[in-house]
Amino acid sequence: NAGVTQTPKFRILKIGQSMTLQCAQDMNHNYMYWYRQDPGMGLKLIYYSVGAGITDKGEVPNGYNVSRSTTEDFPLRLELAAPSQTSVYFCASSYSSENLSYEQYFGPGTRLTVT
Amino acid sequence: GQNIDQPTEMTATEGAIVQINCTYQTSGFNGLFWYQQHAGEAPTFLSYNVLDGLEEKGRFSSFLSRSKGYSYLLLKELQMKDSASYLCAVSTDSWGKLQFGAGTQVVVTP
Repeated sequence: NAGVTQTPKFRILKIGQSMTLQCAQDMNHNYMYWYRQDPGMGLKLIYYSVGAGITDKGEVPNGYNVSRSTTEDFPLRLELAAPSQTSVYFCASSYSSENLSYEQYFGPGTRLTVT
Repeated sequence: GQNIDQPTEMTATEGAIVQINCTYQTSGFNGLFWYQQHAGEAPTFLSYNVLDGLEEKGRFSSFLSRSKGYSYLLLKELQMKDSASYLCAVSTDSWGKLQFGAGTQVVVTP
């Protein structure tokens, strides 16, 4: 199993450009998440999905969009990039259950700089 | 509001014990996680507590008191490879959404 994979590993964007961060998992997890991590800070939830076709906003969704057309893939779209979106982006997935929470498996991250 | 607090940095000697405290105030609670994150890498799962008490896993133990909104991670027999950031995270609902603390940087010295 590859686990959670993310592409690209690094990217530099100019202000106003757009891009899609790719995330895929091969563990057949229903739940998937996007986080951002600023230097010296914890992770903040951007968007999450509890299954194909179902997405919802997290704590910091402004400036981002997501889609979930398959169980495996959960891309994150940045429209009109701004310097405030300079960060490390982590995708994660987990097993799902009605009542319990399960550990999240994280991808290696995408380091994005907007200048 | 929602708050998860943990110390910024702790230093300890190889072979020693370090205890990282985490206090939380969140709108919901469905368990508390500890993750380890080495510099430039992704977080990796260490432990999960949903009931009060101590969970032991080798050199790592984690404790939870839901009534006090308090947890700690205990690292025993410290090794140089334990130098990393340790993230306390609360699951706030059944969808597994996590609220993270800012992390505690543990520095292990020879």
